[in-house]
Amino acid sequence: QVQLQESGPGLVKPSQTLSLTCTVSGGSISSGSYYWSWIRQPAGKGLEWIGRIYTSGSTNYNPSLKSRVTISVDTSKNQFSLKLSSVTAADTAVYYCARLKNSSGYYYVRYWGQGTLVTVSS
Amino acid sequence: HLVLTQSPSASASLGDSVNVTCTLSSGHSSQAIAWHQQKPQKGPRYLMKVNNDGRHTKGDGVPDRFSGSASGADHYLTISGLQSEDEADYYCQTWGRDFYVFGPGTTVTVL
Repeated sequence: QVQLQESGPGLVKPSQTLSLTCTVSGGSISSGSYYWSWIRQPAGKGLEWIGRIYTSGSTNYNPSLKSRVTISVDTSKNQFSLKLSSVTAADTAVYYCARLKNSSGYYYVRYWGQGTLVTVSS
Repeated sequence: HLVLTQSPSASASLGDSVNVTCTLSSGHSSQAIAWHQQKPQKGPRYLMKVNNDGRHTKGDGVPDRFSGSASGADHYLTISGLQSEDEADYYCQTWGRDFYVFGPGTTVTVL
């Protein structure tokens, strides 16, 4: 069964770039027809989709974050990554990585990582 | 514009049944959705995908007391024989070709 684990700094200064990595175990990131995604959740609030990447490198982003987000994949390390630039306190959240499953050409969230808290503060 | 609506809270007594409703915005009643459970201080867990015809695909180890159904724009998550460990937030989620939308979540309380 696939497992996902987020890692990265828990504290980022305002205006800097948030960088997180998701390590995939229990299967190759490049096998199968899957998208890999980042989702975040501010404390006490709901879930917000950030973006997704296919193993080919094709990406889609939430329009509200698109200008600041980059998602990439490293198949040699079985990892995918998130970079969010010019962060502010509003970007403080628990960040989750996830695997999306194909259903008739559409992809839904099927597996979640445990999440990692990122705080933006000076 | 695709939006999901959920009631903020639902409650039932131990052993009873509770329904959590997720409503798709106008014009999107044919959408399938997924349900996710989030217990306090934990990450979400996939429960099931529910098609607009009510057929559902459960996640690994999801108890039989969890079931899903659909009627028009409304999707329902039913928890039968409610247990104390079912106290959690429940989120519905849907998708387009290249975007994803989450509902605001429903907090289920076991009385």
